[in-house]
Amino acid sequence: EDQVTQSPEALRLQEGESSSLNCSYTVSGLRGLFWYRQDPGKGPEFLFTLYSAGEEKEKERLKATLTKKESFLHITAPKPEDSATYLCAVGSSGGYNKLIFGAGTRLAVHP
Amino acid sequence: DAGITQSPRHKVTETGTPVTLRCHQTENHRYMYWYRQDPGHGLRLIHYSYGVKDTDKGEVSDGYSVSRSKTEDFLLTLESATSSQTSVYFCAISGTGEYEQYFGPGTRLTVT
Repeated sequence: EDQVTQSPEALRLQEGESSSLNCSYTVSGLRGLFWYRQDPGKGPEFLFTLYSAGEEKEKERLKATLTKKESFLHITAPKPEDSATYLCAVGSSGGYNKLIFGAGTRLAVHP
Repeated sequence: DAGITQSPRHKVTETGTPVTLRCHQTENHRYMYWYRQDPGHGLRLIHYSYGVKDTDKGEVSDGYSVSRSKTEDFLLTLESATSSQTSVYFCAISGTGEYEQYFGPGTRLTVT
């Protein structure tokens, strides 16, 4: 069964304190690993797609990496505006452009 | 931002009443999706559409129906709303051959 697990559920950081969020997955036929950011009261906002182990993508203070079993979202020197819920999803070959989502990590960055 | 709108944005309704949520896109994307988001469960797929009049069930489809008569519109109907359907509903779109999905702003539905 396709499954995505994110950890930790919640993370509190001080401004400038770097850390990583984890997304582990099992999927039949990976069709990409996707990261989204979701602010309270809004829809998820697309950040990155990773397709193969060893691939990395960067955007400002965020860097996403991928292995055969998990992905990490590294946050370097975070700022309060990075506070959000970060969602991970995998594309599965089992259906039409099907995405399986994890439950998310709530990140709070304090000044 | 992807051109996706959802209406209404907020709705309170009573148990047993029918409810229809609308998703409208201006991107001409082939695929459209309805998800619900609940604490501890993440996003769960209700129904999706792969073209006009072509729809299929997701993992939590019981109690929901959908229709797509035009490329740009995807409707989600709760035939007889129940309290367990209180949730935030998101519409998403993706293009042909693309797994990346782009989401609308959501509809917060409360069933009393």
